[in-house]
This record gives sequence, structure tokens and C-alpha cells, in this order.
Amino acid sequence: EDKVVQSPLSLVVHEGDTVTLNCSYEVTNFRSLLWYKQEKKAPTFLFMLTSSGIEKKSGRLSSILDKKELFSILNITATQTGDSAVYLCAVESYGGSQGNLIFGKGTKLSVKP
Amino acid sequence: EPEVTQTPSHQVTQMGQEVILRCVPISNHLYFYWYRQILGQKVEFLVSFYNNEISEKSEIFDDQFSVERPDGSNFTLKIRSTKLEDSAMYFCASSEEAGDQPQHFGDGTRLSIL
Repeated sequence: EDKVVQSPLSLVVHEGDTVTLNCSYEVTNFRSLLWYKQEKKAPTFLFMLTSSGIEKKSGRLSSILDKKELFSILNITATQTGDSAVYLCAVESYGGSQGNLIFGKGTKLSVKP
Repeated sequence: EPEVTQTPSHQVTQMGQEVILRCVPISNHLYFYWYRQILGQKVEFLVSFYNNEISEKSEIFDDQFSVERPDGSNFTLKIRSTKLEDSAMYFCASSEEAGDQPQHFGDGTRLSIL
């Protein structure tokens, strides 16, 4: 059965700290791995990763994929209170004519001032 | 920035009633999806839709569920006879292409079945 496992499930840090969120997966017919940020409502797209070893960056956030070891990490440097959210990892697999997303449970990040 | 919009934001319905959840995907997107998230649980895939037909559906998407694109802009999810366990947040998503472009999500409809 396909699955995506995120760790830790929750994390409390102080502003300015650096955090690393983990995502491991077991999926047949892997296509891509995506990270989303979920505050109150819609998951907001952060990164899409398809190739191993290529870091994607957006401001203080970065992510990398290891397709051999089947995991990805999301790094946030110099955290701010606005980074408080649930971070979702999802894997897209080939299934039929288009992939669906298999989500992990998410990591709840709380950044204290 | 273009976004996926969903209505209503909250729907309260008696068990056994039919509900229709509505979504307007991003205008140039061709692939449409419904997901649900039961409180405290993972986001789960329900169905994907392309070229006016279902591409893939999960085990959750049984005969009580149906999807439709009634016109050029709306994408709807119908639950024919709601059950208590249908209470969840329902998210619509869309993408330009399958697999090569990310799925973008709407704010969701919170469905509460009484």
C-alpha cells in the first residue's frame, strides 16, 4: 500500500531557529513529491520535486529529494511567527492517465516570538 | 494571482439529503480533483477529472458520489444521500497538466452532516 510518513508530527521553535521537516514515502510508480503549507484553509503550494539531489529554494525555504532513500526534507531558516502552519508532504504517482496525491499527516510547526 | 474558488465555505445538511459542492478551477487548467480531509486526519484523494470524464477515483468515491462540469467554469461534487461519516472538509484542486505541474487547492467547503 502506498504511504507517506512525515516527522515530526509537531514542532515548537522560537523565532530565528532553523527547522528541518522530514517526509519519507513508499509509492509505486513515483512521479513527483510536493510540499504544501496549510494555515487555516487551502494547502498552498511550496515546492514540486522530481529529481534527486537538486535543491529547490524560495526565500528562507528550501527542499531536496532523495529518490534512492525515498525521502525529502523541507528546511526553513530564520523562522518567523508567520511560518506557523501545518506542512504537508504529498507524493504523486502514475495511476491511470493522471496521478493523484497521497498525503502524509503533516507536521504542525509553531513558531514562538 | 489566479486561484481556485469554492462555495459554500460551510454547508450544514441533514443526513440523507443531497449536497452539491461547487468549485471554479483556475481558468487555463485542464485537470480537476476533489479531496477530502476528515477532522484530524490526512487529506485523501477522491476523484480526478479530465476532458469531461473521470480519470481516476478512490475507494471512497462510491456510487453516492458524482462529479460534473456543467459549463465552462464550474466543477461540482454531488453526494446523493449524505451520511454522518461524510462530514469533512472537501477541497477542490486543479492543475494545468497531470504530473508536470502542481495541483492548486481551493479554501475548501466544510460539510457538516447532522
